[in-house]
Amino acid sequence: AQSVTQLDSQVPVFEEAPVELRCNYSSSVSVYLFWYVQYPNQGLQLLLKYLSGSTLVESINGFEAEFNKSQTSFHLRKPSVHISDTAEYFCAVLNRNQGGKLIFGQGTELSVKP
Amino acid sequence: DAGVIQSPRHEVTEMGQEVTLRCKPISGHNSLFWYRQTMMRGLELLIYFNNNVPIDDSGMPEDRFSAKMPNASFSTLKIQPSEPRDSAVYFCASRDGTSGFTDTQYFGPGTRLTVL
Repeated sequence: AQSVTQLDSQVPVFEEAPVELRCNYSSSVSVYLFWYVQYPNQGLQLLLKYLSGSTLVESINGFEAEFNKSQTSFHLRKPSVHISDTAEYFCAVLNRNQGGKLIFGQGTELSVKP
Repeated sequence: DAGVIQSPRHEVTEMGQEVTLRCKPISGHNSLFWYRQTMMRGLELLIYFNNNVPIDDSGMPEDRFSAKMPNASFSTLKIQPSEPRDSAVYFCASRDGTSGFTDTQYFGPGTRLTVL
């Protein structure tokens, strides 16, 4: 069965510092990987996704994630965070054999301090 | 587009009462998903529909939970009778599907359910 592990439940950082949110997955088939962000009291929004092609994918607000097949990882990074990046971040894997079900990790709470 | 619409946004009820959560997907989307989010279990898929037909309900916790999608623009998730352990945030999401199952899922704002 597919699963997703987010290694850090909470990541506190100072504004303008770099950040990495770690995600590892397990799957025996080809994977499609996603990062979603949830701001307080809101639903989830897609941040970026890897389907195929370049292993480095970027979002419009400066986040990037790299698909590493050998390490079964899809870590999310940003070189300089802002207060407004404070949110919960969810890594997810999509099971192509189950009609596109998303399997989510437990989430990482990113807290950016001034 | 207004996005995925859920109602109510907050629901407080007493144990044993029936609860109905409602969702209006984005117009034109052909897949609809119901998720539950709790601190203990994280984000769980309860059920999803393709073209109004339930495809996978293996995540529905027990017979007290039921979901329907009578048409392409409306779905309900019903809990009868409700129990305190059902307290959670329930999200609805929809997906276009014209490019296949890799299309983005768009989430609603959620319904925060509290069962006393």
